[in-house]
Amino acid sequence: AQSVTQPDIHITVSEGASLELRCNYSYGATPYLFWYVQSPGQGLQLLLKYFSGDTLVQGIKGFEAEFKRSQSSFNLRKPSVHWSDAAEYFCAVGAHFGNEKLTFGTGTRLTIIP
Amino acid sequence: NAGVTQTPKFQVLKTGQSMTLQCAQDMNHEYMSWYRQDPGMGLRLIHYSVGAGITDQGEVPNGYNVSRSTTEDFPLRLLSAAPSQTSVYFCASTLKGYQETQYFGPGTRLLVL
Repeated sequence: AQSVTQPDIHITVSEGASLELRCNYSYGATPYLFWYVQSPGQGLQLLLKYFSGDTLVQGIKGFEAEFKRSQSSFNLRKPSVHWSDAAEYFCAVGAHFGNEKLTFGTGTRLTIIP
Repeated sequence: NAGVTQTPKFQVLKTGQSMTLQCAQDMNHEYMSWYRQDPGMGLRLIHYSVGAGITDQGEVPNGYNVSRSTTEDFPLRLLSAAPSQTSVYFCASTLKGYQETQYFGPGTRLLVL
């Protein structure tokens, strides 16, 4: 079964600074990988996803993520954060075959300070 | 399109009561799922459906029932509420499968006393 770990529960970043949120997964083959964002009181919204091909994936709102098979990681990055990026971020992993389920990480809460 | 709608937004139950959380989507999506979100635990899959008439268990199905009689609706039933079911519940849908973008509803906050 697949699993995903987000080691950082809470991260605080100054507005305009760069951001990297960590995600490590466990799966026997190449997985489907996703990043979702949840603003306070809202449902989740897809930021980006990786299935195959180019390991650097571009998403919405200026986010990108890089799939590194050797490190079993799929870290989310943004070069310059905005106050509106304050939210909770979830990494998720799914299997390519069978198992019709996504497994979510526990999330990283991002706080932006002026 | 309204997308994914959930009702109610907030509910308080007493232990042992039953209720149904409603979920509907107007995008003709085949795949629908229910998650619960608890602090420090992320989202956990309760039940999911790959089409009308087809449902399956997720990671934490105990205490919950689902049915999928139409493509649009995917209600979640709590048969006998317990305090451990206090949580925020999200319904989500995708066109064919989870590999595609999941569209989430706004959530139902449930408190069981």
